[in-house]
Amino acid sequence: DAGITQSPRHKVTETGTPVTLRCHQTENHRYMYWYRQDPGHGLRLIHYSYGVKDTDKGEVSDGYSVSRSKTEDFLLTLESATSSQTSVYFCAIRDNYGYTFGSGTRLTVV
Amino acid sequence: GESVGLHLPTLSVQEGDNSIINCAYSNSASDYFIWYKQESGKGPQFIIDIRSNMDKRQGQRVTVLLNKTVKHLSLQIAATQPGDSAVYFCAEIKTDSWGKLQFGAGTQVVVTP
Repeated sequence: DAGITQSPRHKVTETGTPVTLRCHQTENHRYMYWYRQDPGHGLRLIHYSYGVKDTDKGEVSDGYSVSRSKTEDFLLTLESATSSQTSVYFCAIRDNYGYTFGSGTRLTVV
Repeated sequence: GESVGLHLPTLSVQEGDNSIINCAYSNSASDYFIWYKQESGKGPQFIIDIRSNMDKRQGQRVTVLLNKTVKHLSLQIAATQPGDSAVYFCAEIKTDSWGKLQFGAGTQVVVTP
């Protein structure tokens, strides 16, 4: 998908464990975003980044942190996963065509 | 795949007919709008966009209409095909908001033969 990859594609983890999802882009875009998708809610913004080490909270940021130490990688961390964080997570970049989304990570917290 | 089992409004359309998908947006300050298509197991894909200084924009088989007075967007798909079956989302952006997209809940379109 236009130089954006997410890993892993699927993960099952236990409540209370830390989890990190990775978003990698190959095109040096400045803006990157993490969304979660749940039934009935569409996509909701968790965190976003407007440059290396420049990040800010979205509308559903509680329980999540992010890091962007280099342009190409935007990491989303669940410090202590809870069942309410079971969701599909999408990363997006803002590019010359608007926005391009990754294929998503399905995270299940048991 | 990343099927989220969405409990969405569903639009059933016969193949060859035109589809109209509606969306109410929330922020009167939004000045850029995008329609996305999401197929099962995939991320949202760009269909068409429109800026707030326009009320209509056409693409290939798709047309977006914007009514700022009532904060309403619609997506029209001409001659709907089986490959158009997907979930459709509208998204709004306020230009000086770091490009943060605000999504609607989506509409499931099912194309029947």
